[in-house]
Amino acid sequence: QSVLTQPPSVSAAPGQKVTISCSGSSSNVGNNHISWYQQLPGTAPKLVMYDNNRRPSGIPDRFSGSKSGTSATLGITGLQTGDEADYYCGTWDSGLSAGVFGGGTKLTVL
Amino acid sequence: QVQLVQSGAEVKKPGASVKVSCKASGYRFIDYYFHWVRQAPGQGLEWMGWINPDSGGTHYVQKFQGRVTMTSDTSISTVYMELSTLKSDDTAVYFCARARAFGAGSSLPAYWGQGTLVTVSS
Repeated sequence: QSVLTQPPSVSAAPGQKVTISCSGSSSNVGNNHISWYQQLPGTAPKLVMYDNNRRPSGIPDRFSGSKSGTSATLGITGLQTGDEADYYCGTWDSGLSAGVFGGGTKLTVL
Repeated sequence: QVQLVQSGAEVKKPGASVKVSCKASGYRFIDYYFHWVRQAPGQGLEWMGWINPDSGGTHYVQKFQGRVTMTSDTSISTVYMELSTLKSDDTAVYFCARARAFGAGSSLPAYWGQGTLVTVSS
């Protein structure tokens, strides 16, 4: 059972927009920055968003992030087949004094 | 550019120990904490702990305390994760990952190693 809650799957057509939610509590999402990771099959996770809404170098502006209270959201516009992957949110949990992740969301581009 | 290269796959028997290495390059090794994260087959990411490569200070999640040891060798820019008393449900890919922000254990990873598959089977 993951500390952060994500939907198991989302899907949308190429060119469309999708959002992935990440819900937590005041000890994690509510008071710490969120990171988002993209994991293609058989590969290591890749950072696509940090500090809630900042994109690392090389990540296209089709990716966006936001946070409100104890929930965060990753948005992807102009979906491409190459975006098909598992997406994980992660943050620090001040109560547990540990890093915590969501259970992951499988994005399917139909 | 930042690179993290991990040691190869391991097969261990229940009760044994495994030690995974992670060699870093492309930046000043002592400036950023390392995290260890594992992923069981078909499952999500599980955070295990961090190590300060400069001081050797560590912080482990309670679940692994007493079984995990993280160490650092600054002379070769390498960190290690040793897990003892292995059980079948320790079968997973183990990732080392470098923190994004300077000098902070609570800063989640920005760069990841390629992963090391550890299989525990009799």
